[in-house]
Amino acid sequence: ELKVEQNPLFLSMQEGKNYTIYCNYSTTSDRLYWYRQDPGKSLESLFVLLSNGAVKQEGRLMASLDTKARLSTLHITAAVHDLSATYFCAVDPDSNYQLIWGAGTKLIIKP
Amino acid sequence: DAGITQSPRHKVTETGTPVTLRCHQTENHRYMYWYRQDPGHGLRLIHYSYGVKDTDKGEVSDGYSVSRSKTEDFLLTLESATSSQTSVYFCAITPGSTDTQYFGPGTRLTVL
Repeated sequence: ELKVEQNPLFLSMQEGKNYTIYCNYSTTSDRLYWYRQDPGKSLESLFVLLSNGAVKQEGRLMASLDTKARLSTLHITAAVHDLSATYFCAVDPDSNYQLIWGAGTKLIIKP
Repeated sequence: DAGITQSPRHKVTETGTPVTLRCHQTENHRYMYWYRQDPGHGLRLIHYSYGVKDTDKGEVSDGYSVSRSKTEDFLLTLESATSSQTSVYFCAITPGSTDTQYFGPGTRLTVL
């Protein structure tokens, strides 16, 4: 059974700190997605990683992909309150856009 | 916002009643998807479509059917709603020009 595991599932941190969210998956996948969801809202695409070693950055968020280790990370630099949200990773093991999702990491950033 | 709308946005219904959710997109994308979101499970794919009258089952399709008679509309039907189908339902599209999947605003369904 294909599994996508995120950890931690819950993270409370102080503004200004750095932290990393991990996404492990159990089978090969050509694509790895990161999304953000605010409470009661829809999902917003953050990154699509398409190859081993891919790294993408947007503001204080940086995502990377290691397909050999089946691991993606989402790194938060100098966190600010506005980054409080739930972050999801998803994989596309058959390259047909039928995504398999992690359970999400709820991130709370305290002033 | 990729031009995706969902209706209704909220619905409360009773066990055993049929329910149809609508996803509408304005940009003629081929690929459309229905997901459900439940706490602790992330999103799970219910059904998907690669074009008019071209649909197939996803991971959690039992109790659901879909139809796509026009490119712009993808309908999800619960033939006889059960309490286990209480969830938030999201429609998504993948434009052919990009690998990103874009989501509609969601429908919160409560089955009593």
